Amino acid sequence: AQTVTQSQPEMSVQEAETVTLSCTYDTSESNYYLFWYKQPPSRQMILVIRQEAYKQQNATENRFSVNFQKAAKSFSLKISDSQLGDTAMYFCALYNFNKFYFGSGTKLNVKP
Amino acid sequence: DAGVIQSPRHEVTEMGQEVTLRCKPISGHDYLFWYRQTMMRGLELLIYFNNNVPIDDSGMPEDRFSAKMPNASFSTLKIQPSEPRDSAVYFCASSSRDKNTEAFFGQGTRLTVV
Repeated sequence: AQTVTQSQPEMSVQEAETVTLSCTYDTSESNYYLFWYKQPPSRQMILVIRQEAYKQQNATENRFSVNFQKAAKSFSLKISDSQLGDTAMYFCALYNFNKFYFGSGTKLNVKP
Repeated sequence: DAGVIQSPRHEVTEMGQEVTLRCKPISGHDYLFWYRQTMMRGLELLIYFNNNVPIDDSGMPEDRFSAKMPNASFSTLKIQPSEPRDSAVYFCASSSRDKNTEAFFGQGTRLTVV
């Protein structure tokens, strides 16, 4: 079974600080993709960052980076220099067998 | 490309009525997904198509729900008859296995059944 777990329902961070969102997953496959999506109040799902499981190097996109630990099946998202516009729901997703499996989400509040 | 386009953005209907949600995927994408989002259940995959063919509809809640993809540029999700518990945001997403694999989402349809 493919599962994605986000254990932090809600988090807060001060503007300009760094925050890390946790995600663990389960799959028996060795080749898959992992994603972080952002859903602001507008409800649009926006891709933040992607990681291919066969790549050991952690993906980075500007202020966003991941810590991908394949053996531990862990895929955390680090947001540096948090901005008010980062306030949103964040979903971790696993792509496998042509389907996307989503976690329950973490609501991030960036405080001024 | 305009992205994945869904219509309508909002739909309010009375219990028992038929509801049809529409989706236009990104041109060239060969996968199309329908998701339902609620507070209680999060994002649930209802059904997905590959090259217009339904591959997995195990997430469709019951026979009241049906989905079609008559061609590569159009898909519908129909609920008949609708019930208040169907109230949710319904997302359509498309992806291409040959490209980046990521799912591109439409803006969703917020359905309210009263």
